[in-house]
Amino acid sequence: DAKTTQPPSMDCAEGRAANLPCNHSTISGNEYVYWYRQIHSQGPQYIIHGLKNNETNEMASLIITEDRKSSTLILPHATLRDTAVYYCIATGNTPLVFGKGTRLSVIA
Amino acid sequence: NAGVTQTPKFRILKIGQSMTLQCTQDMNHNYMYWYRQDPGMGLKLIYYSVGAGITDKGEVPNGYNVSRSTTEDFPLRLELAAPSQTSVYFCASSYSGGPLAGANVLTFGAGSRLTVL
Repeated sequence: DAKTTQPPSMDCAEGRAANLPCNHSTISGNEYVYWYRQIHSQGPQYIIHGLKNNETNEMASLIITEDRKSSTLILPHATLRDTAVYYCIATGNTPLVFGKGTRLSVIA
Repeated sequence: NAGVTQTPKFRILKIGQSMTLQCTQDMNHNYMYWYRQDPGMGLKLIYYSVGAGITDKGEVPNGYNVSRSTTEDFPLRLELAAPSQTSVYFCASSYSGGPLAGANVLTFGAGSRLTVL
C-alpha cells in the first residue's frame, strides 16, 4: 500500500465546501484511493473511491490529480453531521490499513 | 438487511480470562475483517478472511484467534486477556473480486468495547 499523508485537523464553516487533501506520492498504477470517515466512536463509513478519474456520489466528490500523487475529497455543503475523522487510503487488492486521518470540525 | 452485527457491545474482563467476540453479516460477503481501535488512534487490522475456511494475520494478531466456518460468521477469540487488549473492536465485511467489484468497500459493525482489568 502506498503511504498517505493527511493534515491532522481542519475546520470548515457550516454550509461551505470542505476540501480534505491527501498526498500519496508513491502510489502505484493499480492502487485505488479510498476515503472513509468515522463519526465519533461509530464504525467507519465508506465514502468514495477512485483510480484516476474524478468521481462523484451522493456524499462527496473525489478529485485525483493527473499524476495521481494527490487527491482531494470534497464535501460540497458541510453540515454539523459531517464532523468526523476522515481517512484516505491508497491500496490495490489488499486489506485496508488505516492511518490517523484528518479530524474535520464543522463549525456553526 | 441487518448488515454487520457484533456482540457483545460492551464487556469487562479480568486479566487471564478468555472470551469470544461474535460477528455475523447477512450480505453474502466473502471477505471479513477484524480491527481494533485504541483511544485516539487509527484502526489496526487483527485478522481477515477471504472465505470460509481461510484466514490470515493482519498487523496485530498476537493474543487473538479466529475461525471462519461459514460465510456469515467470523468470531474473534481472546485467550488470556491482558490490559493491552482494552480497545474497541470492529468487524467488517466486503465483496471479493478486486476493487472494481467492491473488494475494499467495507461495511463495518457498530463495535464491541472491551475493557480488561
